[in-house]
Amino acid sequence: DAGVIQSPRHEVTEMGQEVTLRCKPISGHDYLFWYRQTMMRGLELLIYFNNNVPIDDSGMPEDRFSAKMPNASFSTLKIQPSEPRDSAVYFCASSLWSGAYEQYFGPGTRLTVT
Amino acid sequence: GENVEQHPSTLSVQEGDSAVIKCTYSDSASNYFPWYKQELGKGPQLIIDIRSNVGEKKDQRIAVTLNKTAKHFSLHITETQPEDSAVYFCAASKRGGNDMRFGAGTRLTVKP
Repeated sequence: DAGVIQSPRHEVTEMGQEVTLRCKPISGHDYLFWYRQTMMRGLELLIYFNNNVPIDDSGMPEDRFSAKMPNASFSTLKIQPSEPRDSAVYFCASSLWSGAYEQYFGPGTRLTVT
Repeated sequence: GENVEQHPSTLSVQEGDSAVIKCTYSDSASNYFPWYKQELGKGPQLIIDIRSNVGEKKDQRIAVTLNKTAKHFSLHITETQPEDSAVYFCAASKRGGNDMRFGAGTRLTVKP
């Protein structure tokens, strides 16, 4: 398997613009997670899905952030409108509920909002 | 909510020496404690984990110990190699890894 795939790898946008980050989980995995990593706040869980259904979105910072998982092989994280403080690396991870809890992380999307 | 503290923030060792990273957690209901390694430009990768019903786990040069009473756990790397250089994160969870709270990370440098 190719692992978790994220696109784009880098995104530079201006404040106020809409940003969409994409993730393809490992085939067969039934959990998908979105994380944000910054120097100030470290690695934070934003939201996770089980079988395409959002289970816990308590980590989503505010209403400007939204996430969807229309099918088992695709998820998006959208920020609208974007702000400079959203600049971070966003990771997608997936896991298989098999008694093992390992999450497989993608390479991340580095977002810069100017 | 859960709070995970990790020390030290940076650690430099000579190749062949041992490295120890320590974490404490606040929520006594936490029962799953993974360690992730993150190399530059990559996502975190699980290197070892431990559950609350076990006090110690070892995998080749890597070991993790857990003290539930004191609410702390540690990562031990023996015979360090330059390729062990990376940032290491500990985490704690009470829902099978679905609610992981991460420590701030330790940047380990192994000098050849």
